[in-house]
Amino acid sequence: GAVVSQHPSRVICKSGTSVKIECRSLDFQATTMFWYRQFPKKSLMLMATSNEGSKATYEQGVEKDKFLINHASLTLSTLTVTSAHPEDSSFYICSASKVAGAGEQYFGPGTRLTVT
Amino acid sequence: QKEVEQDPGPLSVPEGAIVSLNCTYSNSAFQYFMWYRQYSRKGPELLMYTYSSGNKEDGRFTAQVDKSSKYISLFIRDSQPSDSATYLCAMGNSGNTPLVFGKGTRLSVIA
Repeated sequence: GAVVSQHPSRVICKSGTSVKIECRSLDFQATTMFWYRQFPKKSLMLMATSNEGSKATYEQGVEKDKFLINHASLTLSTLTVTSAHPEDSSFYICSASKVAGAGEQYFGPGTRLTVT
Repeated sequence: QKEVEQDPGPLSVPEGAIVSLNCTYSNSAFQYFMWYRQYSRKGPELLMYTYSSGNKEDGRFTAQVDKSSKYISLFIRDSQPSDSATYLCAMGNSGNTPLVFGKGTRLSVIA
């Protein structure tokens, strides 16, 4: 199998606080993980590509100081939304690519963030 | 021209119908082609994965890739209400580069 988990599945936080979202590949090693954002009834928007042991590559328009990404091991990447604001409220989804595989990305179940 | 084009629908069909979903693309370097199914408020689920051209069948699902026409399709036979979801096509060059997604087609299968 290829299972990716995310934690938490849902989080509510106050403006100005920081929130950390974890993405784990449970049964495979992932050299690369991807973080997406999705607004209601809209397609996935790639935020950044995260390689184990190196700095993440952010897409144009994504603030790297606001969305901190760490990929400390082959099975774990974290996204920290710093100084969250209501406009950061969204559905955040990670995906992972197998080390030995090619092409397929397996998605986590997503994290719904609400900033009040 | 967008890199990947996909009709957003919505597409509504009666239960038991054959559903055809399609995407076109412009980048001839794409080697991997995927179809994902996404239910509301859930992460996308990989349905079909095809490398290069050809057909692949898995149960009621058939994926087709025509690289000469830069056109991919997903067919769903004997569609069920539980197939109601958004279907996203995706394609890429390697496992470590981001996939390029279509915008997704919303499908409703009516009982």
